[in-house]
Amino acid sequence: GENVEQHPSTLSVQEGDSAVIKCTYSDSASNYFPWYKQELGKRPQLIIDIRSNVGEKKDQRIAVTLNKTAKHFSLHITETQPEDSAVYFCAASIMEYGNKLVFGAGTILRVKS
Amino acid sequence: EAGVAQSPRYKIIEKRQSVAFWCNPISGHATLYWYQQILGQGPKLLIQFQNNGVVDDSQLPKDRFSAERLKGVDSTLKIQPAKLEDSAVYLCASSLDGIGEQYFGPGTRLTVT
Repeated sequence: GENVEQHPSTLSVQEGDSAVIKCTYSDSASNYFPWYKQELGKRPQLIIDIRSNVGEKKDQRIAVTLNKTAKHFSLHITETQPEDSAVYFCAASIMEYGNKLVFGAGTILRVKS
Repeated sequence: EAGVAQSPRYKIIEKRQSVAFWCNPISGHATLYWYQQILGQGPKLLIQFQNNGVVDDSQLPKDRFSAERLKGVDSTLKIQPAKLEDSAVYLCASSLDGIGEQYFGPGTRLTVT
């Protein structure tokens, strides 16, 4: 089955700097890659997703890139702000097979002001 | 629109006791997922329903866990008997059609002592 690895496990950046989180997946059939943000004690919330027919997607300060050949995808946050501090999870799934998400272990992002 | 509702939010039980969690998905969402999130890890899928039928329960420990979704709306997840390693947050998620975005509920934090 699918296996998703996520790095780094913790990331500290200065406010205004960029943050990059990387994930690799094992199942070449996976075609949907969402990123979730989870604040302490709260529910995971989707912040951006990408499908396998696209190499990059951007939404304001957040972008995701996908390399299908290497089977890895990355989250890029520019101009980080203290409110970006949270745990970020990547996931992978095959949309047509029930979209069963397999999550990475998470990255704790701390933005220092 | 109202989000995914879950209850209770917190539950503390002793090992070998039983417990049940309830989930009410977003109105009209056909697909419902239960995830287990152990502290410091990403959510792990336990079971997926499409309407009132089970799509995937391959990772559900069926000797102690059971779930149902009567009438294709609300769902309950039961653990009987509970073990210490069942301590986790149990997240319910729903999606419109099993392909699109999954919306998560606030979760139930279970502590087994």
